[in-house]
Amino acid sequence: AQSVAQPEDQVNVAEGNPLTVKCTYSVSGNPYLFWYVQYPNRGLQFLLKYITGDNLVKGSYGFEAEFNKSQTSFHLKKPSALVSDSALYFCAVRVDNAGNMLTFGGGTRLMVKP
Amino acid sequence: NAGVMQNPRHLVRRRGQEARLRCSPMKGHSHVYWYRQLPEEGLKFMVYLQKENIIDESGMPKERFSAEFPKEGPSILRIQQVVRGDSAAYFCASSPATSGGRKTQYFGPGTRLLVL
Repeated sequence: AQSVAQPEDQVNVAEGNPLTVKCTYSVSGNPYLFWYVQYPNRGLQFLLKYITGDNLVKGSYGFEAEFNKSQTSFHLKKPSALVSDSALYFCAVRVDNAGNMLTFGGGTRLMVKP
Repeated sequence: NAGVMQNPRHLVRRRGQEARLRCSPMKGHSHVYWYRQLPEEGLKFMVYLQKENIIDESGMPKERFSAEFPKEGPSILRIQQVVRGDSAAYFCASSPATSGGRKTQYFGPGTRLLVL
C-alpha cells in the first residue's frame, strides 16, 4: 500500500521569505511524485512532478521540489513567497506499474502574509 | 484548449434522490479518474475508466455508486439514494494514454454535492 504524509496542516510565512511545504511518502516500488495547488472552490492545478532523473524539479509559478530517496521526501519550496501563493497544497504519489490512481496527502494550507 | 469540464458545479439533493455528475476530459485524453474530497481532507481515489471500460474501481463504495465512460459523451458518476454522508466535492481528472503511470492527471473544477 502507498501513503503520503503532509505533517503540517498549515504553514505561515511572510511575503518575500522562502517557503517549504513538507511531504513524505511510503511506497513499494518506484514512486512518481506530484504537487498540486487548490484555490478556494476550485479544482486542483498541477504544479510539478518527479518521474526520474534530476532530483530537483522545477515547476509552475517559481515552485520547485527536491526528491530525496533516502529520506522518502518530496518537499515543495519557493525562494520568495507571494501573498497570491496562499492556497491549499497537496502532495500525491503513484507507483510505477502499480495502477494509475494517485494517493494524496491530507493537504497543507499555506498562508503568506504581507 | 479547454481543460477538464465538469457539470454541474454545484448540486443539491434531498436524501434518497439520485445524483448524476458529468465529466468531459481534456481533448486528446482517453483516461478518466474520479476522486472524492471531504471537507478539509485530501482527495480519495474512487474509480479509473477508459472508454467503455472500468479499469480500477477499488475506491468505489460497494453500493449506490456507479461510473461509466461511454464511447460517446462524458463520463458519468452516479450516486443512487444519496445520504448526507455523500456530501463532498467530486473531482474528475483526465490523462492521455498512460505508460506506467508517468502521465500527469489534470483536474476539473469539481462538483460540490450537498445532500439535505
